[in-house]
Amino acid sequence: EAQVTQNPRYLITVTGKKLTVTCSQNMNHEYMSWYRQDPGLGLRQIYYSMNVEVTDKGDVPEGYKVSRKEKRNFPLILESPSPNQTSLYFCASSFNRDANIQYFGAGTRLSVL
Amino acid sequence: KQEVTQIPAALSVPEGENLVLNCSFTDSAIYNLQWFRQDPGKGLTSLLLIQSSQREQTSGRLNASLDKSSGRSTLYIAASQPGDSATYLCAVFTGANSKLTFGKGITLSVRP
Repeated sequence: EAQVTQNPRYLITVTGKKLTVTCSQNMNHEYMSWYRQDPGLGLRQIYYSMNVEVTDKGDVPEGYKVSRKEKRNFPLILESPSPNQTSLYFCASSFNRDANIQYFGAGTRLSVL
Repeated sequence: KQEVTQIPAALSVPEGENLVLNCSFTDSAIYNLQWFRQDPGKGLTSLLLIQSSQREQTSGRLNASLDKSSGRSTLYIAASQPGDSATYLCAVFTGANSKLTFGKGITLSVRP
């Protein structure tokens, strides 16, 4: 089954404790991206990757890191989480960056205390 | 900077009604436009994708249209059902910066 898998689905952590949210897709997609969704602000892009070893900033990259060492994986790293990073995070992928359906993961709800 | 607007933020209709959800965007230089559905606490599911060269797409009871020059799209839902209750988001893909920009969504409630 074609899917984008995020882990964990729920995470509660404390300020400053490094964490990684994993994202994996099994569709051989080139394009992957991360979004955060906040009430009243909607979905905003954090980072995206057009292929292996190619990443770029989205609208709200501050406080986040990503890597794309393999085509299927695109982890989101919070080196020193802060309470303002409490949010619902989504990973998405598509065949390539142009004109293709975006497939979304089920989301990761993160709370930073 | 691309901005996507969806008005109203919420809509409540009786079952069986045909309805139209609107989406507008400020920069017409788009690659495509997608309509998504999001159920509470869940991820997004792509409903329809319209390429910039297309005028509309249909899937079942759903029909989406695109007028790129005026920066507008509509999602038409025929014979609405309670199961259609969800948040509907539109998003435009701007190829110049490989970015998908979302509207804030319309939360639809279909009353039995």
